[in-house]
Amino acid sequence: AQSVTQPDIHITVSEGASLELRCNYSYGATPYLFWYVQSPGQGLQLLLKYFSGDTLVQGIKGFEAEFKRSQSSFNLRKPSVHWSDAAEYFCAVVSGNTGKLIFGQGTTLQVKP
Amino acid sequence: GAGVSQSPSNKVTEKGKDVELRCDPISGHTALYWYRQSLGQGLEFLIYFQGNSAPDKSGLPSDRFSAERTGGSVSTLTIQRTQQEDSAVYLCASSRDGAGEQFFGPGTRLTVL
Repeated sequence: AQSVTQPDIHITVSEGASLELRCNYSYGATPYLFWYVQSPGQGLQLLLKYFSGDTLVQGIKGFEAEFKRSQSSFNLRKPSVHWSDAAEYFCAVVSGNTGKLIFGQGTTLQVKP
Repeated sequence: GAGVSQSPSNKVTEKGKDVELRCDPISGHTALYWYRQSLGQGLEFLIYFQGNSAPDKSGLPSDRFSAERTGGSVSTLTIQRTQQEDSAVYLCASSRDGAGEQFFGPGTRLTVL
C-alpha cells in the first residue's frame, strides 16, 4: 500500500536560515507528489507538485522540492526562511486512479527571530 | 473566483447526536473529496465523488458515516450517533477532474462532548 513518511515531527530554524523538510514515499509506479502548507486555523494550501518531467520543481513562496526516485524522496527546501513560513507542512502522494491523497504525518515548522 | 466553502466552521454536539457537514466545491470541479484531520490519526481520506460514478467510500471509518453529493455539486457528510472519537476537523477538497491539484476548504471543526 502507498504510504508517506515525514521523519521530522517538529523543526525549528532561525529566520534567514535555509530549510529542508524530508519526505519519503512508498509507491510502486511513478508517483504524483505534493507538498501542502497549513497555517493555524486554515485549510491546506498547495505549495508545489510533481507529476513527471524535471525532478526539481518550483513552487510558491520561494519553495522548491526535488524528486529522487532512487531514494524514494521528495524533500522540500527553501534557501531563506521567513517568520511567516511558520506552519505545518504535509507531503502527500496520489493513491490509485481516484486522485485521493495519502498524507504524511506532517512537520511543524517553528521560526526563531 | 470563489474557493471551496464549508459549513459550519465549528460544530459542538453531544455524544449520540447526528451531525451534517456541508461542502460547496469550486464551480465546475467534477471531483470532490472528504478528509478527516485528527490529532491521533493525522489526515485521512474518507470518501471521493467523481461526476456520476459510484463514490469511493473506502476511507469511511464505520457505517455511521455517510455522504452524498447532489446534482454533482454540493456534498453533505453525515455522522450518525456521534462518538467522542469523531472529534476532528473535517476537510473538503475539489479538483477539476480528479487527476490534478485539489483545492481545500477551511474545514469544519467537530467537537463531540
